[in-house]
Amino acid sequence: QSALTQPASVSGSPGQSITISCTGSSSDVGAYDYVSWYQHHPGKAPKLMIYDVTNRPSGVSNRFSGSKSDNTASLTISGLQAEDEADYYCSSYASGSTLYVFGTGTKVTVL
Amino acid sequence: QVQLQESGPGLVKPSQTLSLTCSVSGGSISSDGNYWTWIRQHPGKGLEWIGFISYSGNPYSNPSLKSRITISLDTSNNQFSLKLSSVTAADTAVYYCARRVRSTYYFDSWGQGTLLTVSS
Repeated sequence: QSALTQPASVSGSPGQSITISCTGSSSDVGAYDYVSWYQHHPGKAPKLMIYDVTNRPSGVSNRFSGSKSDNTASLTISGLQAEDEADYYCSSYASGSTLYVFGTGTKVTVL
Repeated sequence: QVQLQESGPGLVKPSQTLSLTCSVSGGSISSDGNYWTWIRQHPGKGLEWIGFISYSGNPYSNPSLKSRITISLDTSNNQFSLKLSSVTAADTAVYYCARRVRSTYYFDSWGQGTLLTVSS
């Protein structure tokens, strides 16, 4: 099972919206609505931001939203804030023996 | 919300067996429906799912690592552990423990991670 493909970096100015893509295959992202997104500030525990493609856990800002089309999932951050600067990883449940695959990670920079 | 904290030796020599522990607080490790997971991140790379053990002690591992992995529960100390045998430099990574709940497909709680370096 190959890793999901994400852009290495995405940047935006405060207040802007950015979108991070996560491209997989018909065996993972395209097969299930079980894509999740994690925010990771280095040295801290990763934090669940989106689950099941579009759902936000309690306490996560509604500036974060998720979507999916075919084999590509996306995370959109609207109203970008300085605190959003972090690494973001997608994950998907997958068919086969490797049950979970992760993305390559995207570094978000707030200009 | 449960909290997880990894611990490990930091440095292991090639061919040895690494042993990591994840201490769980805020909930019982044997609570019904919890799946305790190990995930790692190689330097500068993305995340890799290693495997999990269920609340009842049933393990499941990534096939790419399965022959070298042992995941176990320590209910008396509310911990679970990862043993990875015959380590090489390719096993150098930050190792995270996390929780998944039954009938969900995401990891809702994570530890901060512990760096393990394989070097002679």
